[in-house]
Amino acid sequence: GIQVEQSPPDLILQEGANSTLRCNFSDSVNNLQWFHQNPWGQLINLFYIPSGTKQNGRLSATTVATERYSLLYISSSQTTDSGVYFCAVASGSARQLTFGSGTQLTVLP
Amino acid sequence: ETGVTQSPTHLIKTRGQQVTLRCSSQSGHNTVSWYQQALGQGPQFIFQYYREEENGRGNFPPRFSGLQFPNYSSELNVNALELDDSALYLCAARPSGKYNEQFFGPGTRLTVL
Repeated sequence: GIQVEQSPPDLILQEGANSTLRCNFSDSVNNLQWFHQNPWGQLINLFYIPSGTKQNGRLSATTVATERYSLLYISSSQTTDSGVYFCAVASGSARQLTFGSGTQLTVLP
Repeated sequence: ETGVTQSPTHLIKTRGQQVTLRCSSQSGHNTVSWYQQALGQGPQFIFQYYREEENGRGNFPPRFSGLQFPNYSSELNVNALELDDSALYLCAARPSGKYNEQFFGPGTRLTVL
């Protein structure tokens, strides 16, 4: 099956800093989603982005499908951005998502 | 607000027991998937239902089974619970108008003692 690797596994920032999270995947995809998992376990949809670039406030994402990677940018980070960020993909006729192992982001005040 | 709800929030069972977890989604969410998330890991796909039929399954044994109902609710049943079944169980729905994007419920945290 498709493999998903996220980096870095852990990231510690000061409030106000910018960060880039990366997701590499091993095959062509027809679905790529970025999620933020809050401390209670809820997966919050950030972006549905199988290709191209999207922006939502301080967050933006770019997927280069031909090179099989996606980047999530967080600008002017806030303490509420802390949590685990997951990239998840689906390929071919499969509709189920395959998740990476996540990036644990800690934003310090 | 994802439009997907799950119950119960937390559950404690003992090894060998059976458990049923429930998921409800909005009208039009005709595809539902279940995922298991062990501590410190990403969610793992269990199975998927479309129009009340299972149409995809991950690497989970038959003691994990499910149902989907016409009212867009769904159940995950786990028989003969094992300690390793302790995890966060997540339900995801895919609206009919959004071909691929999935929306997750808040999860049920199951502890097996």
